[in-house]
Amino acid sequence: EDKVVQSPLSLVVHEGDTVTLNCSYEVTNFRSLLWYKQEKKAPTFLFMLTSSGIEKKSGRLSSILDKKELFSILNITATQTGDSAVYLCAGDYTGRRALTFGSGTRLQVQP
Amino acid sequence: GAGVSQSPSNKVTEKGKDVELRCDPISGHTALYWYRQSLGQGLEFLIYFQGNSAPDKSGLPSDRFSAERTGGSVSTLTIQRTQQEDSAVYLCASSLGRGDIQYFGAGTRLSVL
Repeated sequence: EDKVVQSPLSLVVHEGDTVTLNCSYEVTNFRSLLWYKQEKKAPTFLFMLTSSGIEKKSGRLSSILDKKELFSILNITATQTGDSAVYLCAGDYTGRRALTFGSGTRLQVQP
Repeated sequence: GAGVSQSPSNKVTEKGKDVELRCDPISGHTALYWYRQSLGQGLEFLIYFQGNSAPDKSGLPSDRFSAERTGGSVSTLTIQRTQQEDSAVYLCASSLGRGDIQYFGAGTRLSVL
């Protein structure tokens, strides 16, 4: 069974800190890895990663995929209280119709 | 539409009643997905539509769950004889095609009393 595992499960930091969220995945039939931010209910798309070693960047957020070690990281620099959310990682696998989601990392940024 | 729209946003029902949840995907998106998220859990896949057909119903937890999609657009997820364990947030997503980025609606929070 394809599995996506995220760590840590939760994290509390102070504004201005830098955080790194981790996501490991299984390799069989792997196509791509996606990161979403979930505040309240709707997950919003952040990044899609398909190639190893190429960093995707959007403002203070960046992400990279390591296909050799089978993991991805999501970095957030200079965190703000608005970054508080659950961050979901999902694998897209050939032969599976839908994304396989990890259980998420709950990030709380304190003022 | 501008985004994926789901209704109602919240639904409270009594055990044993039937409920219908609606999803209006982004215009032009041929793929539509239903997921379920229980409290503190990740997203659990329920069903996938390509156009009006559902090639993968493998995630539906029981025969009380069914879904349809008409006109390649709006989809309805129906839960018959609801049980308390059906309480969750039901999320709908759409994408241009299979394998493209999925965009999510705000979900329907279902509470079965």
